[in-house]
Amino acid sequence: QVQLQESGPGLVKPSGTLSLTCAVSGGSISSSNWWSWVRQPPGKGLEWIGEIYHSGSTNYNPSLKSRVTISVDKSKNQFSLKLSSVTAADTAVYYCARGRYCSGGSCYFAFGYWGQGTLVTVSS
Amino acid sequence: AIQLTQSPSSLSASVGDRVTITCRASQGISSALAWYQQKPGKAPKLLIYDASSLESGVPSRFSGSGSGTDFTLTISSLQPEDFATYYCQQFNSYPQKYTFGQGTKLEIK
Repeated sequence: QVQLQESGPGLVKPSGTLSLTCAVSGGSISSSNWWSWVRQPPGKGLEWIGEIYHSGSTNYNPSLKSRVTISVDKSKNQFSLKLSSVTAADTAVYYCARGRYCSGGSCYFAFGYWGQGTLVTVSS
Repeated sequence: AIQLTQSPSSLSASVGDRVTITCRASQGISSALAWYQQKPGKAPKLLIYDASSLESGVPSRFSGSGSGTDFTLTISSLQPEDFATYYCQQFNSYPQKYTFGQGTKLEIK
């Protein structure tokens, strides 16, 4: 059973950089999966931030692309998110999730495993 | 960019009711559409993938259907634990990105 766990500072100053890490257990980050970050502002809906494959290939939400960097550390079985130039609008619960994968000739495009989420508040 | 619009945005229903939530895409999409259930303070839980495939362990009262631009999530007989917010989600191949609907909050009548 794959498990994901987010970690990182819960408070970031405006104009600073938000940094989070997602540790993957119960499975290898080098498997045929893409790994994503999703966020949810308080009381609002879900927004996909971006994804990474173990090769280092990435895709980002165009609305956040200029500020987002996602990286992978295969040796630690984890992946990370950096979001720069944050404002109060970036205050949200940030989730990591296992996304799309292909197996046996079929591909699946849903988030089957999620971390518990971590609240990041942007405030001075 | 493809947008997903869910209707209704909120819904009041009683235990035992049959409930349908709709997700409409701004243009035709593949069947790579999923549905999630989210309870307060918890991560979303995958219910349906590929528009109509039931995720392992999810009760059979949940079902999904649709194609093209119109998709539905149906709960055949509401149980107390089903009161939550539901989201649809699709994956677009070009550009490669995921999109979520705005959510439907299902409340007890």
